Amino acid sequence: QSALTQEASVSGTVGQKVTLSCIGNSNNIGRDAVGWYQQISHGAPKTVMFGNSLPSGIPDRFSGSKSGATASLTISGLQPEDEADYYCSTWDYSLSAWVFGGGTKLTVL
Amino acid sequence: QVQLQESGPGLVKPSETLSLTCAVSGYSISSDYYWGWIRQPPGKGLDWIGSISQSGDTYYNPSLKSRVAISGDTSKKQFSLKLTSVTAADTAVYYCARHLSSSGYPIDYWGQGTLVTVSP
Repeated sequence: QSALTQEASVSGTVGQKVTLSCIGNSNNIGRDAVGWYQQISHGAPKTVMFGNSLPSGIPDRFSGSKSGATASLTISGLQPEDEADYYCSTWDYSLSAWVFGGGTKLTVL
Repeated sequence: QVQLQESGPGLVKPSETLSLTCAVSGYSISSDYYWGWIRQPPGKGLDWIGSISQSGDTYYNPSLKSRVAISGDTSKKQFSLKLTSVTAADTAVYYCARHLSSSGYPIDYWGQGTLVTVSP
């Protein structure tokens, strides 16, 4: 059971806007920023967002937001290469541990 | 450009100690970041093992704390993981990574990962 809850799967068509969510509580997302990681075909993860910051080289169709204890990753203008597993993470103050969500499998139809 | 590269045995026997090293290039591990280990069992999600700060403070996943040790060697620009008394449940791809020291401690750089199999 992950401390952060993500949808198991999300799908969208090319060009569509999709939003992935990461639900936590007041001891994790409610207190700290969230990182988002993309993993394509079980390769090494790649950071696509931390807080509201876009890492160098990540297209600006990726954006992040947070409201209370829920964080979101939005991909505007979905591309075939965005098909991947996406994980969220942050620090949990009650567990004294860095925690991940269970991951969302994004399928581009 | 920051790069991280894991190295170590790909096969470890049950009850023995798993030892991995992460070589860091393009940045000093004694500067303002945290350095961590994350693993991913086959077909499963990511799981944090532990991290070490630039000053040498360590932070471990409570579920692994009794078996884990992370250390850093600034002169060699590397940090290491030791996991004792391994079982088949420790079979996973092990990644090293750099955490920002800001809110939420997000990772900005990842290693390529190394598969460690625990088997007799």
